Amino acid sequence: EVQLVESGGGLVQPGRSLRLSCAASGFTFDDYAMHWVRQAPGKGLEWVSGISWNGDILGYADSVKGRFTISRDNAKNSLFLQMSSLRPEDTAFYYCARDTGPLGPNWFDPWGQGTQVTVSS
Amino acid sequence: EIVLTQSPGTLSLSPGERATLSCRASQSIDSNFLAWYQQKPGQAPSLLIYGTSYRATGIPDRFSGSGSGTDFTLTIRRLEPEDFAVYFCQRYGDSPTFGGGTKIEIK
Repeated sequence: EVQLVESGGGLVQPGRSLRLSCAASGFTFDDYAMHWVRQAPGKGLEWVSGISWNGDILGYADSVKGRFTISRDNAKNSLFLQMSSLRPEDTAFYYCARDTGPLGPNWFDPWGQGTQVTVSS
Repeated sequence: EIVLTQSPGTLSLSPGERATLSCRASQSIDSNFLAWYQQKPGQAPSLLIYGTSYRATGIPDRFSGSGSGTDFTLTIRRLEPEDFAVYFCQRYGDSPTFGGGTKIEIK
């Protein structure tokens, strides 16, 4: 069974950093690009960042460019999102999602259950 | 940036009725790059449709997608109780974007 399990969320003060992780299982991790998508409380979905199968191609939403860094460790079947200079507007549920190809972005399937990030003093 | 506008925001329908959801793009997009997702309360989104009209694995045929250019539609032929949820369209490709969502609620 394909599974994506996010971790690392929590309450953090504005300006601080946080690192999210996504543990993948049930598929050949390095066959696929991966993404982070967030959803603010009661709001819609926002693509945050994506990474190709080998980490050579990175993409970021304008809202996080220069503050967030996506990476992956194929040996450990893991995806990461390093978030720095966090702002209250970064408060959201963060989902890890698998692309359907190695380069992306294609459609996303499946998605993890998400981890909550709250930025507040 | 291509903006996707979904309408209506909320659709109040009864089980057995037909649901028609709209997703309008601010500029023409390749129909190969349009997907729909379903999100139930407290759950992650799940893929319904990709490439405008191709159902994802396991999706029942009461769900169908259509459209081209700037106008795309998700149709649910006869609503089942489990279909009451929020639906998002997505343009993938460079800098993926999502629509704001349409909630289908029980009338």
